[in-house]
Amino acid sequence: AQKVTQAQTEISVVEKEDVTLDCVYETRDTTYYLFWYKQPPSGELVFLIRRNSFDEQNEISGRYSWNFQKSTSSFNFTITASQVVDSAVYFCALSGLTGANSKLTFGKGITLSVRP
Amino acid sequence: DAGVIQSPRHEVTEMGQEVTLRCKPISGHNSLFWYRQTMMRGLELLIYFNNNVPIDDSGMPEDRFSAKMPNASFSTLKIQPSEPRDSAVYFCASSLLSFNYGYTFGSGTRLTVV
Repeated sequence: AQKVTQAQTEISVVEKEDVTLDCVYETRDTTYYLFWYKQPPSGELVFLIRRNSFDEQNEISGRYSWNFQKSTSSFNFTITASQVVDSAVYFCALSGLTGANSKLTFGKGITLSVRP
Repeated sequence: DAGVIQSPRHEVTEMGQEVTLRCKPISGHNSLFWYRQTMMRGLELLIYFNNNVPIDDSGMPEDRFSAKMPNASFSTLKIQPSEPRDSAVYFCASSLLSFNYGYTFGSGTRLTVV
C-alpha cells in the first residue's frame, strides 16, 4: 500500500521568510512518481512538480525548490522569500506505474499562511 | 487545450435526490480519476478508469455511488440517493499514464446536500 505523510498541518510565516514543507512517503514499488500540488483559496488543484524515483537531483524553479532523498523517503518543498500569494494548501502525492498503484495517493495537505 | 472540464461547478440538492456529476477529460488522455475532498478525509480516490474500463473502485463509499465512462471523452459520477454526508468537493482528473504521468485536475464540483 502507498502512503504519504505530511506531518505539518499548518504553517504561518511572515512575508520574505523561507519555509520548508515536509513530505515522507511509503511504497513497495521500485519505480514511482512524486508530486506536489498547490490548492489556493479558489479551490483548484495546481500542479507544481513531478519527480520520478530514479532522479534524485534537486530541482529549483524560481523561488521554489525540491529536495528528494530516497534514503529517507522524503520529498521536501522549500519556498524562498515567501509571498502572500503563496498562501494555500500544499499537497504531496505519490503514484506507481501499474495497476492499482497508478493512482495518485495524497497526503493530508499543509496549510501555509504568509502574513504581510 | 481546454483542460479537464467538470460540471456543474456547484450543486445544492435535497437529501434523497439523485445527483450526477460530469467530467470531460483532456483529449488523448487514457485514464480518468474521480476524487472526493472533505475536511475530515482529505483527498481520497473514489474510482479510476483506464481506457474507459474501471480499474479500481475500492474507494467508492457504498452502493449509492456509481461511475461510468461510456467513451473516452465523458464520465459521470452518480449518487442516488444523496445524503448530507456526501457534501464535498468532487474532482475529476485525467492522465496519459503511458507517457508522462502528469495528472490534470478539473476545477471541481462543490456538492451540498441539505
